[in-house]
Amino acid sequence: SQKIEQNSEALNIQEGKTATLTCNYTNYSPAYLQWYRQDPGRGPVFLLLIRENEKEKRKERLKVTFDTTLKQSLFHITASQPADSATYLCALWDYGGSQGNLIFGKGTKLSVKP
Amino acid sequence: NAGVTQTPKFQVLKTGQSMTLQCAQDMNHEYMSWYRQDPGMGLRLIHYSVGAGITDQGEVPNGYNVSRSTTEDFPLRLLSAAPSQTSVYFCASRETGVGELFFGEGSRLTVL
Repeated sequence: SQKIEQNSEALNIQEGKTATLTCNYTNYSPAYLQWYRQDPGRGPVFLLLIRENEKEKRKERLKVTFDTTLKQSLFHITASQPADSATYLCALWDYGGSQGNLIFGKGTKLSVKP
Repeated sequence: NAGVTQTPKFQVLKTGQSMTLQCAQDMNHEYMSWYRQDPGMGLRLIHYSVGAGITDQGEVPNGYNVSRSTTEDFPLRLLSAAPSQTSVYFCASRETGVGELFFGEGSRLTVL
């Protein structure tokens, strides 16, 4: 079955810098990959979806890349702010069941210091 | 908009007790699912449903039952609670296809 690795449990950066989070997967390349944000005590909230034929996707200060050769997605937050501090989850589809389900990485906790 | 609503938000059980975590969505989504989230383990799928009357097992189904009698509701039942089921439980729904998952706010369960 598919496995996902988010290789940093925590990332600390200074306000104004660009945060880059990494998501690697091990088996087949999924057709879609998603990123979610989770604040303490809250449920995950969807941020972006990128398709395998889309090398890059942007939404305001967020940018996601998808490299099926490297089996990797990068998630960037430019001009980071303390309000960006949260845990970010990578998710992709596992087609092992009767219908695909999302499987999640363990997340990277981002802390943006003023 | 209510979205996905979970109750209760907090629950403490004794080993061997049973309970039901409630989940309701008002977006007419066919797909609903239950995840549990534990420190260091991430979100793991327990059970899911692709429509009323249809349920299937996820990665960690043991000790849990589900049913789907309506499109709106997808309750999760713990038949005989064990300390290993101490966790935060999230219900999520989405439209048919590969779109975003909408999550509830979670139910924090402690089993003593």
